[in-house]
Amino acid sequence: GDSVTQMEGPVTLSEEAFLTINCTYTATGYPSLFWYVQYPGEGLQLLLKATKADDKGSNKGFEATYRKETTSFHLEKGSVQVSDSAVYFCALSGNQFYFGTGTSLTVIP
Amino acid sequence: DTEVTQTPKHLVMGMTNKKSLKCEQHMGHRAMYWYKQKAKKPPELMFVYSYEKLSINESVPSRFSPECPNSSLLNLHLHALQPEDSALYLCASSQEFRTSASSYNEQFFGPGTRLTVL
Repeated sequence: GDSVTQMEGPVTLSEEAFLTINCTYTATGYPSLFWYVQYPGEGLQLLLKATKADDKGSNKGFEATYRKETTSFHLEKGSVQVSDSAVYFCALSGNQFYFGTGTSLTVIP
Repeated sequence: DTEVTQTPKHLVMGMTNKKSLKCEQHMGHRAMYWYKQKAKKPPELMFVYSYEKLSINESVPSRFSPECPNSSLLNLHLHALQPEDSALYLCASSQEFRTSASSYNEQFFGPGTRLTVL
């Protein structure tokens, strides 16, 4: 069946460091892929999405490219800020919706 | 309107209380979901309604009782909860449930209700 495997955390970075959070998936058919972010004490917000192979989703300096050949959707940001501290969830929409386990990111000044 | 709203934002209840959580969407979505989420964990699916009919109940204890009065509203009735039920309860909606068109399964989340059971 469909599934999402996400990089384990927690991740701690200094401000302005480069961020990568790995996400790989297994799916039959043509899933859509998502990154959700959850700030402390809040609900889930859609950060970015991609609906087909080679699509690049981007928002707030974050990017992820839908790579069918490597079945990946890694999240990247060139320069993280303290305000990016949150939990990040990779998700897949195939014939059903699946979440990864989440990666907690802490950015220190 | 691309918003899912949830009320209340916070709820504190005793183990003998009865309360309800409410969720509303006006996107014309035909599938609505209840999730339970513990801190820093992914949301756990509890219930799915598709076209106002209960499609999935993920072995949730009967002290949680969902209701879908119409296509825009979803309630979760709570009774005799336990302290371990304290969590963030999230509502979501999508155009359809379990369709081969993956974009129709994209879920839109509400802000959640943070529930504390004393």
